Amino acid sequence: GAVVSQHPSWVICKSGTSVKIECRSLDFQATTMFWYRQFPKQSLMLMATSNEGSKATYEQGVEKDKFLINHASLTLSTLTVTSAHPEDSSFYICSAPSPLVLAVQETQYFGPGTRLLVL
Amino acid sequence: AQSVAQPEDQVNVAEGNPLTVKCTYSVSGNPYLFWYVQYPNRGLQFLLKYITGDNLVKGSYGFEAEFNKSQTSFHLKKPSALVSDSALYFCAVRENNAGNMLTFGGGTRLMVKP
Repeated sequence: GAVVSQHPSWVICKSGTSVKIECRSLDFQATTMFWYRQFPKQSLMLMATSNEGSKATYEQGVEKDKFLINHASLTLSTLTVTSAHPEDSSFYICSAPSPLVLAVQETQYFGPGTRLLVL
Repeated sequence: AQSVAQPEDQVNVAEGNPLTVKCTYSVSGNPYLFWYVQYPNRGLQFLLKYITGDNLVKGSYGFEAEFNKSQTSFHLKKPSALVSDSALYFCAVRENNAGNMLTFGGGTRLMVKP
């Protein structure tokens, strides 16, 4: 089946640095990808929709300049947390919609997540 | 707007006993309903979905869920729980004309004790 990967799995950084997280669809193309944030023991909160060839669509309350999204190709979306601070520490998960041919199976494939810890 | 509620933060069940994780939803149109499972420090894994057809849906790992339109519910069930079923379970909904965006419930932690 379709697979979505994320890199890195874990990242620890100092406050003030920027961190880039990659989301790749491994055996299918995704013109749209979704970025979620999950706090401990809480649900997934949609941050933004990444669109190949155009600007990302951000959910209300999500800072565009803080969380930069670039959908560089049909298989890669990146989320950059700029000038990270401890409150940005979280689990970030991306997903990509099922290709049309597999649409009967499920609606989204999820990456394994990236845990960010900002010291 | 679509929404999902999982009324229980945690469900405890003994191994071998049946389990139920509750989910209710609200959408303006016809719902597409999903259950996902999340293990520690992992992404979400698809369990099952309801799109149309039979109200009882069978999914991965012996799980099933029953769509009840009148009660707007989509409870997850398994006849005999395993310790390895212990994880975080999320119910999600998408309206049939809402693109690919899912709305998630708050999650329910399932603890299966030996």
